[in-house]
Amino acid sequence: AQKVTQAQTEISVVEKEDVTLDCVYETRDTTYYLFWYKQPPSGELVFLIRRNSFDEQNEISGRYSWNFQKSTSSFNFTITASQVVDSAVYFCALSEAENRDDKIIFGKGTRLHILP
Amino acid sequence: ETGVTQTPRHLVMGMTNKKSLKCEQHLGHNAMYWYKQSAKKPLELMFVYSLEERVENNSVPSRFSPECPNSSHLFLHLHTLQPEDSALYLCASSQDQAGPADTQYFGPGTRLTVL
Repeated sequence: AQKVTQAQTEISVVEKEDVTLDCVYETRDTTYYLFWYKQPPSGELVFLIRRNSFDEQNEISGRYSWNFQKSTSSFNFTITASQVVDSAVYFCALSEAENRDDKIIFGKGTRLHILP
Repeated sequence: ETGVTQTPRHLVMGMTNKKSLKCEQHLGHNAMYWYKQSAKKPLELMFVYSLEERVENNSVPSRFSPECPNSSHLFLHLHTLQPEDSALYLCASSQDQAGPADTQYFGPGTRLTVL
């Protein structure tokens, strides 16, 4: 079973629309960390956020916001007023404190197209 | 220069060639990683080095041989590769010794094509 599921393979929205990227994770650890990365066409994964399992406070950074819900094992990412430069592949990832076999587990990514 | 750099950015090689990928991090980190990113597959962790010692090898074929001469440099030596090894190879580094809370910072990758 996938430990990190990004069910949306590809999303297209028109510029200035809001868009939410879903991430559902699976773990038995009580201590774990969740990450979001952005991969623009240049290839480099750009770190966006890290959240630990004990901090369910939602976070906002400019047009980006993250909604962490332990009850549904989700860590969704919303871009408000999207821009063409937001077009990229976005990866959600999980790192477990107790199960260190996989170090960090990435989802398959969601490819986001922002249309002008 | 800052961050994580990788050279070359693009590489085309035949199955009998020997080549090396280079990664350098300028962040003062202690752990470095090699990942393989193929089309339509999740990122695959290949190797992890912490303080220049290999701590993880996820059943990677021996035709891939890593080398970490110091905490700032990481190499991936390639020999007798197969066409299915064509992929984007990403290097990353993190501050601490590959712990669960570590944030990994990635380089731009080397796009490898094996003919």
